[in-house]
Amino acid sequence: GAGVSQSPSNKVTEKGKDVELRCDPISGHTALYWYRQSLGQGLEFLIYFQGNSAPDKSGLPSDRFSAERTGGSVSTLTIQRTQQEDSAVYLCASSLSGQYSNQPQHFGDGTRLSIL
Amino acid sequence: DQQVKQNSPSLSVQEGRISILNCDYTNSMFDYFLWYKKYPAEGPTFLISISSIKDKNEDGRFTVFLNKSAKHLSLHIVPSQPGDSAVYFCAACLSGAGSYQLTFGKGTKLSVIP
Repeated sequence: GAGVSQSPSNKVTEKGKDVELRCDPISGHTALYWYRQSLGQGLEFLIYFQGNSAPDKSGLPSDRFSAERTGGSVSTLTIQRTQQEDSAVYLCASSLSGQYSNQPQHFGDGTRLSIL
Repeated sequence: DQQVKQNSPSLSVQEGRISILNCDYTNSMFDYFLWYKKYPAEGPTFLISISSIKDKNEDGRFTVFLNKSAKHLSLHIVPSQPGDSAVYFCAACLSGAGSYQLTFGKGTKLSVIP
């Protein structure tokens, strides 16, 4: 596709359940990022992938959060045993390469996650 | 500790006038700055960027100014149009960090009044 695609667009789940969020980056983009935006806040960095490896996981808030990327393309963010504070919009972005700061990141429309 | 701050949560401007959105940062090591525009229920859209070695970058109606000594940047939109109404995020990048992750401000909601 032409842009970054994320699914589902909305997810409502009960506290304690596991959720998987999917990101399909722009074709050919080797760098992939996950961010989240909580209500009234700016975007908060979670994790960065270069190819299939994740050299920077420093933003993951707890060990309940994990992510993987396969084939240098699709990425999945998994949240285990969800808590109400996990409610947020989860945004994925990709860029042509993670090696140069002048290549802007392009964002998907996000997954709005609501934990009941 | 917020490293990128947008102190005005909202701004209203008359159509045709200039919109000036401001952003301050605390980390002098940031070397690249970007502005994103966000409509409701959509992801942020890249607007314009500036390297720390420059003090101005212009693209059509959008100009970004960088004052390194003051750790301040601003986005000017001239002339403002109703379609510019959106939330604008300032973001900063630290190349040396290795991941080029972006640090975002909390955004400024711009309303352009017809």
